Amino acid sequence: SQTIHQWPATLVQPVGSPLSLECTVEGTSNPNLYWYRQAAGRGLQLLFYSVGIGQISSEVPQNLSASRPQDRQFILSSKKLLLSDSGFYLCAWSREDYNEQFFGPGTRLTVL
Amino acid sequence: AQKVTQAQTEISVVEKEDVTLDCVYETRDTTYYLFWYKQPPSGELVFLIRRNSFDEQNEISGRYSWNFQKSTSSFNFTITASQVVDSAVYFCALSDFTGGGNKLTFGTGTQLKVEL
Repeated sequence: SQTIHQWPATLVQPVGSPLSLECTVEGTSNPNLYWYRQAAGRGLQLLFYSVGIGQISSEVPQNLSASRPQDRQFILSSKKLLLSDSGFYLCAWSREDYNEQFFGPGTRLTVL
Repeated sequence: AQKVTQAQTEISVVEKEDVTLDCVYETRDTTYYLFWYKQPPSGELVFLIRRNSFDEQNEISGRYSWNFQKSTSSFNFTITASQVVDSAVYFCALSDFTGGGNKLTFGTGTQLKVEL
């Protein structure tokens, strides 16, 4: 069966510090991978998605970047965090286009 | 443009009541997929159902049922005999070709509170 991991689970970072959130998927190959952010409230905003190694599509211009160094690894980064980067970050995967996405447990980021 | 509207921001019911969560979508494509997800207080989104645009049969899974009506562009979700464990935020989502088949457009969610 497939599982998706995210770490860390929670993170408190000062403004201006770097960020690295990691997501890995087990039990499948060549998944589509996604990063979402859920700010205070509940709207889900798609940040990045990837259909293969090194292939990243950005949905929203912002302070963040994503990379996919391996088939089942997806990393969300920032060089300098802003207060507005606070939120709940969710990673998801899917088998192919149109199929349901499966979400990881999320990382709760607080920027102070 | 793709859009999903969940007009009910918050619903409160007493345990054992039936409750229906509304979802209205907009798309210009004839081929699309609709989804429902549950987000309990722990935060992780749990996949509940996927329905494609060519299958209008209603779906029932235990206490959950879904009513898909293309004529009104709606995909409503009913929980029968609600339980406290059903308390969560529920999201409806849409995936279509125009929006990029590998992306989901989410509604803003409905917070369901089931009380004893």
